[in-house]
Amino acid sequence: ETGVTQSPTHLIKTRGQQVTLRCSSQSGHNTVSWYQQALGQGPQFIFQYYREEENGRGNFPPRFSGLQFPNYSSELNVNALELDDSALYLCASSFSTLFTGLTTEAFFGQGTRLTVV
Amino acid sequence: QKEVEQNSGPLSVPEGAIASLNCTYSDRGSQSFFWYRQYSGKSPELIMSIYSNGDKEDGRFTAQLNKASQYVSLLIRDSQPSDSATYLCAVNRNFGNEKLTFGTGTRLTIIP
Repeated sequence: ETGVTQSPTHLIKTRGQQVTLRCSSQSGHNTVSWYQQALGQGPQFIFQYYREEENGRGNFPPRFSGLQFPNYSSELNVNALELDDSALYLCASSFSTLFTGLTTEAFFGQGTRLTVV
Repeated sequence: QKEVEQNSGPLSVPEGAIASLNCTYSDRGSQSFFWYRQYSGKSPELIMSIYSNGDKEDGRFTAQLNKASQYVSLLIRDSQPSDSATYLCAVNRNFGNEKLTFGTGTRLTIIP
């Protein structure tokens, strides 16, 4: 049990719809990273939020967006869903201080399985 | 060329034997290297991290890093059926396991 929780655990959406996935970070953590893991593939980095600001983004289109709230929980929003967006979406939380470069181990949540039909 | 390459397997190893998992990476600026274990339908679990050339041992697990050859490996001694999982290699340009680049994983099966 990592203390990182994601909701919902499973979701089915129709192509073209929009979806919001949620992640509650572990207590004391201020950084959340989101990953997409397609079937049979390794996780791919989508973006990271540090203290409510986006701090790095992978090779994903703008229809993938996010937010981080003052309590450091985070949302991943995907607009105009495509069939290829079907995947396991993972969030990982950690504690970072960019000033010193210190970062603790990142823990993954259990993931949200998104199916687009 | 993929940034992180792993043999997808499946790799079958008898119970009690040594399982050897390999990974190569393309970015010479990589600083941090990780091995994750992922059971089917579950999220990845960090089992080893390594930052310097050489070996790092933790229980039955040994990670090996060779930055000159851009090669990372994981050895699992005395393999158990519970070790059957997909093993993901991940690298990072920074220290720490945020913003990771993962390989596709190697599926390991331990045969009782």
